[in-house]
Formats: sequence, C-alpha cells, structure tokens
Amino acid sequence: GNSVTQMEGPVTLSEEAFLTINCTYTATGYPSLFWYVQYPGEGLQLLLKATKADDKGSNKGFEATYRKETTSFHLEKGSVQVSDSAVYFCALIGRGYQKVTFGIGTKLQVIP
Amino acid sequence: NAGVTQTPKFQVLKTGQSMTLQCAQDMNHEYMSWYRQDPGMGLRLIHYSVGAGITDQGEVPNGYNVSRSTTEDFPLRLLSAAPSQTSVYFCASSSTPEGAAKNIQYFGAGTRLSVL
Repeated sequence: GNSVTQMEGPVTLSEEAFLTINCTYTATGYPSLFWYVQYPGEGLQLLLKATKADDKGSNKGFEATYRKETTSFHLEKGSVQVSDSAVYFCALIGRGYQKVTFGIGTKLQVIP
Repeated sequence: NAGVTQTPKFQVLKTGQSMTLQCAQDMNHEYMSWYRQDPGMGLRLIHYSVGAGITDQGEVPNGYNVSRSTTEDFPLRLLSAAPSQTSVYFCASSSTPEGAAKNIQYFGAGTRLSVL
C-alpha cells in the first residue's frame, strides 16, 4: 500500500533560518503529492501540491519539488517566521481513488 | 463561505456512552471523509463516502458508523465510546471521488473528544 514518511519533530528554528522538512513516499504509479499545514487549534489547510515528476509546488514562500527518482517531496523555506509555527503534513493521493495517505506530521517551532 | 463545519468542537464522554459527531459542507462536494488524529500516528482514515447513499471503510473503522443520506451531511457515530477513541476527529470533503490532480481536500476545524 501507499505510505508517507516524515520526521515527527519538533523542529526548532530561529526566525529567518532556512527550513527543510523531509518527506519520502511509497506508492504504485505516479501519485499526486501535497503539503498541508495545521495551525494550533485549527484544521488542516492545503499549503502546496505537485501532480507529476519535477513539478514544483509553491505558496507563501514554501516550496517542494516532486522527485520521482528519489521518491521525495521535501518542504523548504528560505526564511521562516514565528507565524510559520505549525504542524506540517506530507500527503499523497494515488491515481484512481480518493484515499489520502498522510505522514505523521512534523511540528515546527520558530523562536524570535 | 462556511466550507466544512464540524460540531461540537469539544466533547467529554463516559465509557459506553454514544454520540454523533456532525459534519456539514456547503460546497456540493461528492466526496467526504472522517479522520482521527493521534500523536505519532498522523491522520488515519476512519470512513469515507463517494456520494449520497455510498459509504466505505477506511483504515480504522471499528467502533464507528457512518451514513450519507444527503450530499451535505456526513455524521460519524460512536455507539459505545471507549477510552481508545479519545482523539481529535477531522471531517474533510472534496469535489470528486477520482484521485486526480485537482483533488483537494477541505478540512473542518476538528472535534476534540475525550472518553473517560
């Protein structure tokens, strides 16, 4: 079956530091890949997505590139802010059906 | 622009009690699903529905029932609550059942449930 692997964290960074959250996946075929963000006390929101190999998703300064050769979709941001403190979930949807497979979520804490 | 609405936001139950978690969406989405979120486990799919009258089991369906009598509503029922069901529950919806590129899930704000 499909699976998504990411570190749980917490990842603690100082403001303006560079962020990388690793995500690797296992899936048959060519899934669509997503990053969701969950702010404290809220539901998940779609942050960015990529639907085919070498696609780059980007939003709010965050980027992730769909790497088929390494089955990865790492999330990056050049300069984090305190307001980026949240839990980040990597997810995939396989072709042909609707079930979303989520990673365990990585908690990010950004300190001033 | 309500999106996906979940009620209640918080609930405390005693073991053996029953309750229904409500989920409603106003986007005319065909596909709806329920997840539970637990520390170190991420989100796990409980049940899902690809349209009114059609439901199916996800990864962790035991102890939960669902029905889909209308497009808008997808309630989750706990018939006899157990402490293992203490969790945060999220409802989600999306426009199509197919796992296509435009498939994006919209999530409710969650229901935090404690079973004593």
